[in-house]
Amino acid sequence: QVQLVQSGAEVKKPGSSVKVSCKASGDTFSKYCISWVRQAPGQGLEWMGGIIPLFTTVNYAQKFQGRVTFTAVESTSTAYMELSSLRSEDTAMYYCASGEGYNYFDSWGQGTLVSVSS
Amino acid sequence: DIQMTQSPSSLSASVGDRVTITCQASQDISNYLNWYQQKPGKAPKLLIYDVSTLETGVPPRFSGSGSGTDFTFTISSLQPEDVATYYCQQYDKLPLTFGGGTQVEIK
Repeated sequence: QVQLVQSGAEVKKPGSSVKVSCKASGDTFSKYCISWVRQAPGQGLEWMGGIIPLFTTVNYAQKFQGRVTFTAVESTSTAYMELSSLRSEDTAMYYCASGEGYNYFDSWGQGTLVSVSS
Repeated sequence: DIQMTQSPSSLSASVGDRVTITCQASQDISNYLNWYQQKPGKAPKLLIYDVSTLETGVPPRFSGSGSGTDFTFTISSLQPEDVATYYCQQYDKLPLTFGGGTQVEIK
């Protein structure tokens, strides 16, 4: 298992972008799949997509296609999620989570709260 | 997308009670079903994967069963530390999808 530590809370204006980082430690970063899951206040969990650093392959949930970008830097064992054209409905806790593929998530970051408000 | 329907959405039970949560998939997902526990203000935690395999360190009072479209999660003897929201999640097909969650409280 890897341990995941995310960047701090963000406050953004509508229409802007946010970039959240997720730094891994404890195991070989590139062999894992890093997914991004968001949770709006008081709501359930929503998978946004994921990236497999070893192959630099990404999968985006259709809902976020065109507005989200996942990247990974192997040298720093860090994954990034950038969400653009922010709107108030994007206010949520964003988690990175790892697994050996697109199956189960056995390690989670602590979450990054993104607030979108004018 | 595969829809995951959990029930009930919330429940209240006494310490020591047996608690059961169901999760129904909108199509056959074989045994590609996981369960997570999320305590207030915390990230989710994997409890069970592949329907019934307990993650390392998870107490044996937690169990899962089912196949195809119908799945069950059970706490055999509810403890105060089990107060949390529980989610099922399928990985048969992308996008990965979660159930709506079941909030478990102590009566």
